[in-house]
Amino acid sequence: AQSVAQPEDQVNVAEGNPLTVKCTYSVSGNPYLFWYVQYPNRGLQFLLKYITGDNLVKGSYGFEAEFNKSQTSFHLKKPSALVSDSALYFCAVKGNQGGKLIFGQGTELSVKP
Amino acid sequence: NAGVMQNPRHLVRRRGQEARLRCSPMKGHSHVYWYRQLPEEGLKFMVYLQKENIIDESGMPKERFSAEFPKEGPSILRIQQVVRGDSAAYFCASSPEHQSYEQYFGPGTRLTVT
Repeated sequence: AQSVAQPEDQVNVAEGNPLTVKCTYSVSGNPYLFWYVQYPNRGLQFLLKYITGDNLVKGSYGFEAEFNKSQTSFHLKKPSALVSDSALYFCAVKGNQGGKLIFGQGTELSVKP
Repeated sequence: NAGVMQNPRHLVRRRGQEARLRCSPMKGHSHVYWYRQLPEEGLKFMVYLQKENIIDESGMPKERFSAEFPKEGPSILRIQQVVRGDSAAYFCASSPEHQSYEQYFGPGTRLTVT
């Protein structure tokens, strides 16, 4: 069965420091991996995706993610956090069986000044 | 290019009433997905549709819930005889043809059952 795990419910970071939001996945075959961000009372905004190719993927707002096949991980990173990055972050995987996304539980990122 | 549109944004229904949620995909997108976000939970897939076809409804409750995406007009998620446990945010997403494309999400409909 396909699944995604985000082991941290909350991540706290000081502004200007690097941030990492963790994600591991389980899927048969080659995964399509995605990160989305959700601001309060809003829909999800696409940040980045890994389909194939370079393991380091760059996305919107300075975010990047590293695909690690041996560790089945797809951690989201940013070199220097902003207060405006505070939001709920979702990792998702799309298996090769069809179009649905399987989401992790979400990680609340809090960036303090 | 307008994004995915959902209406209403907020919907209040009494127990036993029907709820109809509408989703207009992005222009050029023929694939529509519905997800539900329950309080304190992540997003759960409900149904995947293409024009006039249900492709995957593995996440839909067996009773009271139905979805359609007609040849003309928006996709509709219909909940009959709503119960308090149906209170949630319902998100629609759309994508173009290719499987590797990301899905673009609408702002959601927040359903409250009183």
